[in-house]
Amino acid sequence: EIVLTQSPATLSLSPGDRATLTCRASQSVGNYLAWYQQKPGQAPRLLIYDASNRATDIPARFTGSGSGTDFTLTISSLEPADFAVYYCQQRSNWQGIFGQGTRLEIK
Amino acid sequence: EVQLVESGGGLVKPGESLRLSCAASGFTFSSYSMNWVRQAPGKGPEWVSSISSNSYYIYYADSVKGRFTISRDNAKNSLYLQMNSLRAEDTAMYYCARVTPPPSVVAASDYWGQGTLVTVSS
Repeated sequence: EIVLTQSPATLSLSPGDRATLTCRASQSVGNYLAWYQQKPGQAPRLLIYDASNRATDIPARFTGSGSGTDFTLTISSLEPADFAVYYCQQRSNWQGIFGQGTRLEIK
Repeated sequence: EVQLVESGGGLVKPGESLRLSCAASGFTFSSYSMNWVRQAPGKGPEWVSSISSNSYYIYYADSVKGRFTISRDNAKNSLYLQMNSLRAEDTAMYYCARVTPPPSVVAASDYWGQGTLVTVSS
């Protein structure tokens, strides 16, 4: 089974900072990786699919990159609404495995 | 507007069964694969199952294989999850979600319902 490891577990930054979140797969998943944002009491919200495609209505400050085993979600300039938990998910091998998440908190 | 509304959750005892439903509207349901994703309290999401638009392709997480059955009725714009032999570790919020991009089957979920809570406890 493919394992996704997200780092860091917690990221403390200030509004206006640049955030870089990483997701590493235990074996290649091609470009089959998605990123989600989740706030308390809400369902996850899709940000990026297939590694680099922004979902509908997602601001341009969210960028996904990578392929194979190493992926990055970059938020260019943090806004207060961006502080949340972020998850990656792969869809290789007919299993939709999620990573354990990165909590992005206000410094 | 895309809407997904889950129902059928509740409190059940270990070993019992439950059937979840998801009513879809605002898009051509028969053209999209669908996911069930669950999230235990305080934990991250866990993919449970996916079904293709025509029900030909179906996939399950190892943790539910042989106990859960996903199905759909395109005439009723509805998705289902039959859950048998429930265990305490199945306790979670269960979300119905639309798959993107079509015609992918196991893929990202671009629209999610608000979830239905399943609690398995004696």
